[in-house]
Amino acid sequence: EAQVTQNPRYLITVTGKKLTVTCSQNMNHEYMSWYRQDPGLGLRQIYYSMNVEVTDKGDVPEGYKVSRKEKRNFPLILESPSPNQTSLYFCASRVWGQETQYFGPGTRLLVL
Amino acid sequence: QKEVEQDPGPLSVPEGAIVSLNCTYSNSAFQYFMWYRQYSRKGPELLMYTYSSGNKEDGRFTAQVDKSSKYISLFIRDSQPSDSATYLCAMSPQAAGNKLTFGGGTRVLVKP
Repeated sequence: EAQVTQNPRYLITVTGKKLTVTCSQNMNHEYMSWYRQDPGLGLRQIYYSMNVEVTDKGDVPEGYKVSRKEKRNFPLILESPSPNQTSLYFCASRVWGQETQYFGPGTRLLVL
Repeated sequence: QKEVEQDPGPLSVPEGAIVSLNCTYSNSAFQYFMWYRQYSRKGPELLMYTYSSGNKEDGRFTAQVDKSSKYISLFIRDSQPSDSATYLCAMSPQAAGNKLTFGGGTRVLVKP
C-alpha cells in the first residue's frame, strides 16, 4: 500500500531532551516536507527536501533540523525541544512537479 | 495579518444542503490554489486544484477563484455526513511549488 508513515504517533517529552520524528514513504517521491499544525494557524511548513541531500527552510524552521540521506526517509530532529514546539506534526511527500501531496497520519508532540 | 484568512467555523448544515467555504488572501503572487480535506485524526488530502481565476468542477465539488478580489471558494453540493471534516485552503505562487501557504481551516459538520 502506498503510504507515508510517521513514528512515533504520540510523544510526551521534557524541555531540552533531543528527539527525532521519523518519516518514511514507499512511493519513490522526490519531494518531502514537514509541517506543523496549530489551532487557528493551519499548516505551516518547517522544512522541505527536493531530493536526497537537498533541503531548504520553510516558514518556521527555527528549532528544527532535517536530513535527507535516503530518498524514502526524511526525519525531523528537535535538538532542544521547548514548550512552544508542542504541536501536531505532519510529513508529506509528492512526485516532483506534481501537485498532489500525500500526508502522513501525524505526530502529536507535547513538550513539558 | 495572516497571508491567508479562513473562517474557522464550525459550519453546521443539514444533509443535502450546499456547503460554501471561502478564503481570502493578501499575496497577489499566488497563482495556484488548492483545497484539502482533513478528517479528524488524519492527515490532509488534496481535494481540488485550480490555476488562476475561474471555476473547476469535480463531482459534487466546485472550486472558484477570483484573483481580482483575492478570494477563493469551495462549494459542496448535496452534502453528506461523510463530508464532515476540516477544509483547508492552500496556495502557491508556482505550480507544484516548494512552498504552500495554508489557511487555518474551516470545520464543517453535516448533520443527518
